[in-house]
Amino acid sequence: GAVVSQHPSWVICKSGTSVKIECRSLDFQATTMFWYRQFPKQSLMLMATSNEGSKATYEQGVEKDKFLINHASLTLSTLTVTSAHPEDSSFYICSARLVNEQFFGPGTRLTVL
Amino acid sequence: AQSVSQHNHHVILSEAASLELGCNYSYGGTVNLFWYVQYPGQHLQLLLKYFSGDPLVKGIKGFEAEFIKSKFSFNLRKPSVQWSDTAEYFCAVMLMDTGRRALTFGSGTRLQVQP
Repeated sequence: GAVVSQHPSWVICKSGTSVKIECRSLDFQATTMFWYRQFPKQSLMLMATSNEGSKATYEQGVEKDKFLINHASLTLSTLTVTSAHPEDSSFYICSARLVNEQFFGPGTRLTVL
Repeated sequence: AQSVSQHNHHVILSEAASLELGCNYSYGGTVNLFWYVQYPGQHLQLLLKYFSGDPLVKGIKGFEAEFIKSKFSFNLRKPSVQWSDTAEYFCAVMLMDTGRRALTFGSGTRLQVQP
């Protein structure tokens, strides 16, 4: 149980385009999901907390208009990287909270050309 | 702001050697503690967790960790490592006094086990 999926697993896009990443909790409902970013050989940095039915809470330094988060249902949160640039290339990981644990998705590798 | 420190950035061991990875956090309130492992090219997997009770917790693959509240530490141990333990290890702390339950991760420790 407690499986979290992400789609796509990898994406390559041109600079200036927008990319949407989906995070789904497959066998449980999650009112709270989290989005992390991981640079190569570095740790996970929390970007934002996604709350079902309300606005996301962004960490300091994360641009709200750049990284749009929508948590429209109890099993789905989406992260849209708008007007992507090469510096947005990274590994994006979501997690879904179940009671006092977080279950992680497999991640999405974004490469912006 | 709370922080999590992993002092060992890169550890190289021979097979059968004992392992101890340090993790310290800075937060005076109630915490849940986690160790995750990330094998090359794979996603995060939970090794073990501490919520309350016995401060010595056992996880998967022979790993264990000890919570020492007075030292704000949660060190990871394994008596005898294997080549397959080569991976990145992350300590994480969840603050229980806030409603958000977000995780703060340490910088990670890369473990390289030589056959």
